[in-house]
Amino acid sequence: AQKITQTQPGMFVQEKEAVTLDCTYDTSDPSYGLFWYKQPSSGEMIFLIYQGSYDQQNATEGRYSLNFQKARKSANLVISASQLGDSAMYFCAMRGRRLGGSEKLVFGKGTKLTVNP
Amino acid sequence: EAGVAQSPRYKIIEKRQSVAFWCNPISGHATLYWYQQILGQGPKLLIQFQNNGVVDDSQLPKDRFSAERLKGVDSTLKIQPAKLEDSAVYLCASSLVFRPLNRGAGTGELFFGEGSRLTVL
Repeated sequence: AQKITQTQPGMFVQEKEAVTLDCTYDTSDPSYGLFWYKQPSSGEMIFLIYQGSYDQQNATEGRYSLNFQKARKSANLVISASQLGDSAMYFCAMRGRRLGGSEKLVFGKGTKLTVNP
Repeated sequence: EAGVAQSPRYKIIEKRQSVAFWCNPISGHATLYWYQQILGQGPKLLIQFQNNGVVDDSQLPKDRFSAERLKGVDSTLKIQPAKLEDSAVYLCASSLVFRPLNRGAGTGELFFGEGSRLTVL
């Protein structure tokens, strides 16, 4: 079974500093993808970044980068130069690919990030 | 390109009443999902459709929840009768088929609607 663990219920960071949000996962699927979504207080789910299990390089999207350590089964999100608008819930999620199985996206419990001015 | 459409945005009902939510996915997306998100928690998958067939409904409380996607496009999620613990945001999402070994096919990310917030009194 797929499982995502986010151990930080809440994180605080000063504006313009970098922050790392932790995510570990467990799966028996031979290939899978890891996703990070942002959910502001307004409720919409915003896709941030994707890392495929066979990707050799860590994914980057603007100020977001994913620190992927396959052997440790971790996929931490790094946000550089934090902005006040980054304050939101952040969810790590995983989607697997196996024969005969569903490709559902499984979410962690989330981390609430607060950026202080 | 139009996003995932959901309605209604908000619904307040008494317990034991029924409610239905509607979702229209992004055009061309074969896979459609309904998630339940209780306040302060991550989304939990209720049901996943591939075209008009059910792929996964293992966490759907089938005694009170039902969902259909008759023509492989839009979908309806129904709760009857509702319980207090059903108060949540119901998120609909759609995606292309996931091909993690083929980056040219896209990342397979899910596109979410704005959600339908249900309050059961």
